[in-house]
Amino acid sequence: DAGITQSPRHKVTETGTPVTLRCHQTENHRYMYWYRQDPGHGLRLIHYSYGVKDTDKGEVSDGYSVSRSKTEDFLLTLESATSSQTSVYFCAISEKRSSGGRGRETQYFGPGTRLLVL
Amino acid sequence: AQKITQTQPGMFVQEKEAVTLDCTYDTSDPSYGLFWYKQPSSGEMIFLIYQGSYDQQNATEGRYSLNFQKARKSANLVISASQLGDSAMYFCAMREGASGTYKYIFGTGTRLKVLA
Repeated sequence: DAGITQSPRHKVTETGTPVTLRCHQTENHRYMYWYRQDPGHGLRLIHYSYGVKDTDKGEVSDGYSVSRSKTEDFLLTLESATSSQTSVYFCAISEKRSSGGRGRETQYFGPGTRLLVL
Repeated sequence: AQKITQTQPGMFVQEKEAVTLDCTYDTSDPSYGLFWYKQPSSGEMIFLIYQGSYDQQNATEGRYSLNFQKARKSANLVISASQLGDSAMYFCAMREGASGTYKYIFGTGTRLKVLA
């Protein structure tokens, strides 16, 4: 499971409050990602990071910010939560390696955080 | 335009039979990767299989194989000898971009139900 943990696992908050979700990994992966999952949409990329202090936007970045001050931690912040941000949030890492002469990539996901914004 | 299309919202298969889950993709990038993930009802995302755009052979991982047809831009997942535990949502995904700008795009998923 690539040693990925997310905290909190569940959160209920009110509209307008700030919320920070934490993703922690223990295997020194360079690339980290935040997704949200909503019914009918699959997973959508919010932000990703390709190194400490190096981040970029995904397809649904509005209303979200991220920070990565250490390799192992990638934080997702909802500056002022809205009901439309009620979702399941997944953190992921990606890795690339060679296996049997072929390149192999994968993403490993954390367990997810269920966020309810009232 | 959808970059990853999964046209089967739901499918049924009899236990021990093979099943194919469809996925088509759209990209102009010559270098890309294609992935399949499984999400059981418990919610975790499980990596199944990967295919690189330059790989000549179809990828296989145990009972999973990826039927890669580059000219048709399709990357169908084949599950052989279905088991009850295969009942889950299955997502196709694509990684676009040169090294260092990895962005992943997911389809909307196919829900597979394996019947005893």
